[in-house]
Amino acid sequence: AQSVTQLGSHVSVSEGALVLLRCNYSSSVPPYLFWYVQYPNQGLQLLLKYTTGATLVKGINGFEAEFKKSETSFHLTKPSAHMSDAAEYFCAVSGPYTGGGNKLTFGTGTQLKVEL
Amino acid sequence: EAGVTQSPTHLIKTRGQQATLRCSPISGHTSVYWYQQALGLGLQFLLWYDEGEERNRGNFPPRFSGRQFPNYSSELNVNALELEDSALYLCASSFGGSGNTIYFGEGSWLTVV
Repeated sequence: AQSVTQLGSHVSVSEGALVLLRCNYSSSVPPYLFWYVQYPNQGLQLLLKYTTGATLVKGINGFEAEFKKSETSFHLTKPSAHMSDAAEYFCAVSGPYTGGGNKLTFGTGTQLKVEL
Repeated sequence: EAGVTQSPTHLIKTRGQQATLRCSPISGHTSVYWYQQALGLGLQFLLWYDEGEERNRGNFPPRFSGRQFPNYSSELNVNALELEDSALYLCASSFGGSGNTIYFGEGSWLTVV
């Protein structure tokens, strides 16, 4: 079975500081990895995903993540935090499944707070 | 292009009643997924439909059921509502096959009183 661990349910950074949100996965097969963001009272929006190829993945809003197989990690970073980045962030893992489909297994989420 | 749309946005039901939530996927997507986001429990996978068939089911009781229609839209039914069913129910869609991006709707808030 696949699982995801997000270290730190709450992270607080100053505006302009580096954002680092941690995600470690467990999977018996090479996984597909995703980061989603959820703003208050909204659905989930995809930030970025890794399936195959380049291990450094760039996403929207200046975020990026690096797949490190040896560390089973997929940490999310952003060089300079903005107030608008305050939200909850979810790491997720899926597939590949021989039967197709993309059932996502989510981490418990990290609430990012950005302070002036 | 329209994203994943869900209705209703909010629904209040009494314990023991039935709730029906609806979802329209992005045009061309054949797979629809349902997730429950309950306070303190995170995002839990409920159901996956593809080409009109139920393909996978999460660890939920049988009173959670659904279906996918020929136009790929879907509905989620929750029977015999319990207080702990109060949650945000998220629908998502994707093209079939592994690795394709899953797009989420805004969700339907279900409150059971």
